Amino acid sequence: DSGVTQTPKHLITATGQRVTLRCSPRSGDLSVYWYQQSLDQGLQFLIQYYNGEERAKGNILERFSAQQFPDLHSELNLSSLELGDSALYFCASSGLITLDRDDTGELFFGEGSRLTVL
Amino acid sequence: DAKTTQPPSMDCAEGRAANLPCNHSTISGNEYVYWYRQIHSQGPQYIIHGLKNNETNEMASLIITEDRKSSTLILPHATLRDTAVYYCIVRVALRYNFNKFYFGSGTKLNVKP
Repeated sequence: DSGVTQTPKHLITATGQRVTLRCSPRSGDLSVYWYQQSLDQGLQFLIQYYNGEERAKGNILERFSAQQFPDLHSELNLSSLELGDSALYFCASSGLITLDRDDTGELFFGEGSRLTVL
Repeated sequence: DAKTTQPPSMDCAEGRAANLPCNHSTISGNEYVYWYRQIHSQGPQYIIHGLKNNETNEMASLIITEDRKSSTLILPHATLRDTAVYYCIVRVALRYNFNKFYFGSGTKLNVKP
């Protein structure tokens, strides 16, 4: 158990709809990362939040948005869903990472939310 | 955006060492090399990381070449449970505390009886 909780585990919806995926990071972790993994593909970095603020952005579509709340949980909102958005969405968290101390910089992943768009 | 190159798949006999290569020829001086693995569709799991020196932990060893342009993850005695996709990642430190972790396509390791 990584300590990262993602809900829902499975979600089936129709094209054009909107869904929200939720992530609770490990206790005390300030950074949350979102990744998308389409069938038989690698993980695509979407976005990172640190202590409530967006800090790094990857290949995230304009139809997608995310936020991190004061209690540090994060939500990924996917709107105007298309068939191609069907994927596993992973959340990961990490603690404080600095360049001037030897930190593992390890990411702790949740078990993912599987989204199916019909 | 991935900055690493890995073979798409490898086979290894159970009980033998699995040596997984990774090329990261554009790595810069303050970037670390990380290895993760993903078993089936579970969340990826951290294995090991390093900067310059070779590293070893209870799971694996990491050998980084002197020029840091490539590395090898070694699973000393592979078991069937080590069958997974192994990702080699270069950690891009954008600025204090803010890091993108780019995963490539990884190497599918098939451990065979």
